Order: sequence, then C-alpha cells, then structure tokens
Amino acid sequence: EDQVTQSPEALRLQEGESSSLNCSYTVSGLRGLFWYRQDPGKGPEFLFTLYSAGEEKEKERLKATLTKKESFLHITAPKPEDSATYLCAVQAGAQKLVFGQGTRLTINP
Amino acid sequence: DTAVSQTPKYLVTQMGNDKSIKCEQNLGHDTMYWYKQDSKKFLKIMFSYNNKELIINETVPNRFSPKSPDKAHLNLHINSLELGDSAVYFCASSQVPGIYGYTFGSGTRLTVV
Repeated sequence: EDQVTQSPEALRLQEGESSSLNCSYTVSGLRGLFWYRQDPGKGPEFLFTLYSAGEEKEKERLKATLTKKESFLHITAPKPEDSATYLCAVQAGAQKLVFGQGTRLTINP
Repeated sequence: DTAVSQTPKYLVTQMGNDKSIKCEQNLGHDTMYWYKQDSKKFLKIMFSYNNKELIINETVPNRFSPKSPDKAHLNLHINSLELGDSAVYFCASSQVPGIYGYTFGSGTRLTVV
C-alpha cells in the first residue's frame, strides 16, 4: 500500500533561520511527488511536482528535491508569511493523491 | 477567475439529516475528486470521477453518494449524517493523468451535532 510520512509534525523557526522538511514515501511505480501549502481555512495550494530521483525545483525561498525514497522541502531565510502547513503527496498507478500528515511550519518574526 | 469552487463553505446540521455539497470547476479538467480532511489534518481520497464516470471509490460508507451531471460538476450527497462525518471536505480537479497537479477548492467544513 502506498504510504507517505512527513517529519517533523511541527516546526518553529525564527525569521531567517533556514531548515528542511522531510517526506518519506513507499510506493510502487511513482508517477509524481507533490508538495502543497495549506493555510488555515483554505484548500491546499500547489507548489511543486517532482517526477524522478535527482530532480529539483525552486520557487522563491522554497526548493524541493527528490530521491528514490524521500523528498525534502528546503526553506531558505523564511519569512513569517511562509507559516503554513506543508503537505507532501504521491501519485502512483491509480489516479489519486496519497497524502502525508503534513508539517505545520511557524516562522516567528 | 478560473478555479474549483464548492458550496457551502460551512454546514452545521443535526444527526440523521441529509445534506449535499456542490462543486464546480472551470479549468477544463477531465477528472474531479472528493477528499476528506479529518481533525488531524490528514487528507484522504473518497471518490474520483473521470468525465462523469466513477473511477475510484475508497471504501466510503454507502451513505455518501457522489453525482457528476457533467465533467465540470461533482456533487456529494450524504444521507443520515453521523457525528463522525464531521470534517472538512475538499473538491479537487486535474487533467488526466493528474501528474501535472491537482487544483483544490477551499473546502466545506461540515459539523454534525
């Protein structure tokens, strides 16, 4: 069964303090690994899709990387507006996303 | 605005009632989904429809019945609501095969009292 585990569950950083979020996955036939951002009371907002090991994508202060077993979301010099829950999901054979439980990120000014 | 829109945003109802949530997308996507997010923020798929045809039904109680009148609409009807049905329900859409990203609606918070 496809499985996604995110760590840590919650992370508090000071503004400007860089860090990484981890997403470990077990899936047969990965077709895509997705990162989403979710703000309170809103739906998940698409950030990145990674398709194969070694791939990297960047958007502003965020950079996502992928290996055969895990993905990292690196946050460089974060700002308070980066505070949100970050969700990782995988798509394998069936056309559906299997999500991890999310990492709740708080950036203190 | 191009988007996935769902109504209502909030729904408070008593146990035993029947309720519906509506979803519409104007992105031209072929596939639509219902996801449930529980109190621990865990998102899990319930159903997916491709061009009005049911593709995925993830062991959801029969009280939940999706209906897709056309490929731009996917509604969720829930019979005999139970306390455990309280959650946030998200509609989403994607192009086949979906690996280019899914677009989510803003959610419907259902509270059963």
